[in-house]
Amino acid sequence: DAKTTQPTSMDCAEGRAANLPCNHSTISGNEYVYWYRQIHSQGPQYIIHGLKNNETNEMASLIITEDRKSSTLILPHATLRDTAVYYCIVRRGGNKLVFGAGTILRVKS
Amino acid sequence: GAVVSQHPSRVICKSGTSVKIECRSLDFQATTMFWYRQFPKQSLMLMATSNEGSKATYEQGVEKDKFLINHASLTLSTLTVTSAHPEDSSFYICSASLILDTEAFFGQGTRLTVV
Repeated sequence: DAKTTQPTSMDCAEGRAANLPCNHSTISGNEYVYWYRQIHSQGPQYIIHGLKNNETNEMASLIITEDRKSSTLILPHATLRDTAVYYCIVRRGGNKLVFGAGTILRVKS
Repeated sequence: GAVVSQHPSRVICKSGTSVKIECRSLDFQATTMFWYRQFPKQSLMLMATSNEGSKATYEQGVEKDKFLINHASLTLSTLTVTSAHPEDSSFYICSASLILDTEAFFGQGTRLTVV
């Protein structure tokens, strides 16, 4: 599975949009981009995934560049409860998820 | 989303004893489940893939005789840490998916402390 690069940490003001970038320059055509987050001492929570089109659900939006080498997760109106580690994962099929270090997002009031 | 439940959420055991952790898919059947381990301030590390009705597949460096995995039904996988030692203290997490190649859902994790 392709390797991903994410910033170590980011801060965001409560109520503002949080934009979390992810680089996956070695992604191949059949690999999906998945985003999960982990709130302290809990299991990871699925957020969203996509292949090449932008995706939106009730939690977030996923913007994938045309060349698919990077993506951005957008939390439109961040709240304090969105403080967590956010993982960008690129995977082929088979359900095996390999986690990187992720981005620590701190939402501040 | 689908619900995956782990039990217990916390366990403390004495060094040398064995501990069993259960992972259940509550509202769906899961042919495959995954077990992860997470040390403090580190990311999740995949330990093994649990396949219903067959032997588990372990990642490199994970001792299969120490971490016994049983996936006897489509809704239950168990991880047994045998002869536990303090260095096995960690956060153990399982995941499962409704359908292959779709999003995985995670249990709430089990905090194991070996004293």
